[in-house]
Amino acid sequence: GQQLNQSPQSMFIQEGEDVSMNCTSSSIFNTWLWYKQEPGEGPVLLIALYKAGELTSNGRLTAQFGITRKDSFLNISASIPSDVGIYFCAGQDGNDYKLSFGAGTTVTVRA
Amino acid sequence: EAGVAQSPRYKIIEKRQSVAFWCNPISGHATLYWYQQILGQGPKLLIQFQNNGVVDDSQLPKDRFSAERLKGVDSTLKIQPAKLEDSAVYLCASSLGTWIEAFFGQGTRLTVV
Repeated sequence: GQQLNQSPQSMFIQEGEDVSMNCTSSSIFNTWLWYKQEPGEGPVLLIALYKAGELTSNGRLTAQFGITRKDSFLNISASIPSDVGIYFCAGQDGNDYKLSFGAGTTVTVRA
Repeated sequence: EAGVAQSPRYKIIEKRQSVAFWCNPISGHATLYWYQQILGQGPKLLIQFQNNGVVDDSQLPKDRFSAERLKGVDSTLKIQPAKLEDSAVYLCASSLGTWIEAFFGQGTRLTVV
């Protein structure tokens, strides 16, 4: 599968702080997706991106599809305790159709 | 709209036994994915179907894993015989088509002892 590098691996933040994480790929992608996974559950889709340069928001979440089509970032503004979880990026390139995932960013929020 | 349904939620088997997982995707979704998620890692794609045809199974260990989607709706994933390293969460996801957002089920947690 595609190589997706997601960073940081983990972060400990204070409630109210902003969070930023990113993902880079070794090839060009047509689609970038961001998911959140909580213990014992499947990943839940947060944001989907389909065009290079696209910037999309979902409440306090904002994600962008990099103009090179090889990267994406996710920002969470004014974090709250329920933002705790593992955030995954996922992407599909135009050649092999596979939806590949990054290794995840674990977010811990301190009240 | 009902989400992706998976069963069972949990399964414990001994090594060398066989096991099967079932997935019912969201109605109308043509693309179905099976992923393996080992603790602490991101999901790894095992097989991807488009309707009842296989789009990609390059990471499926075909000597022990098999999957089918006979009528282009439900799917089963089988492991026979299981090994200790197969302990993981098996996730099913579906989407309307390729390059469109995929939605996941809750997964089946398999423990091989």
